[in-house]
Amino acid sequence: DAGITQSPRHKVTETGTPVTLRCHQTENHRYMYWYRQDPGHGLRLIHYSYGVKDTDKGEVSDGYSVSRSKTEDFLLTLESATSSQTSVYFCAISSSGGNTGELFFGEGSRLTVL
Amino acid sequence: GDSVTQMEGPVTLSEEAFLTINCTYTATGYPSLFWYVQYPGEGLQLLLKATKADDKGSNKGFEATYRKETTSFHLEKGSVQVSDSAVYFCALGSSNTGKLIFGQGTTLQVKP
Repeated sequence: DAGITQSPRHKVTETGTPVTLRCHQTENHRYMYWYRQDPGHGLRLIHYSYGVKDTDKGEVSDGYSVSRSKTEDFLLTLESATSSQTSVYFCAISSSGGNTGELFFGEGSRLTVL
Repeated sequence: GDSVTQMEGPVTLSEEAFLTINCTYTATGYPSLFWYVQYPGEGLQLLLKATKADDKGSNKGFEATYRKETTSFHLEKGSVQVSDSAVYFCALGSSNTGKLIFGQGTTLQVKP
């Protein structure tokens, strides 16, 4: 299995509080991604990174920010959580970019915003 | 823009039945196509892929052929097992954006 660890795996928080999800990899892969999974929507890309300090927005980036200060860590931050951000969040990594290569996924982080 | 459409689920089959999950796509350029599978409580994992027209991807008894003329990449398996119960995602690797675009997923339930 690819070495990807997401933390926390489960979190319940209140509207308006900040939340940070962490993705840690031991594969030294260049590309890292954050997706959210919601019923009826499949997986939607929030943000991705193509190197240290190099990040870009995905299709549902509003309300989220990311940082990648080291190859192995990719952080997703909700500055002020809202109920619409209740979801399951998946981190993924790739050595060659998602459009041509295989993505390896973490086990997911379930976030509930009350 | 590029997009992927999958047949809606859930799909319920008896063990040893034939499976087809339809997937069609819209894309400019020359995308790669993928099927990912998600077992309960887990992240997604790659099931198979095809990188150019007429390629056939296969794995674990599943097959899909990249049909450019019908813009399709349907997933098939000749005889499903209870252990195949999962959510299946069709995905397109966009040559324009460099991103992976997922369909909405199809839930498969196989009953003994």
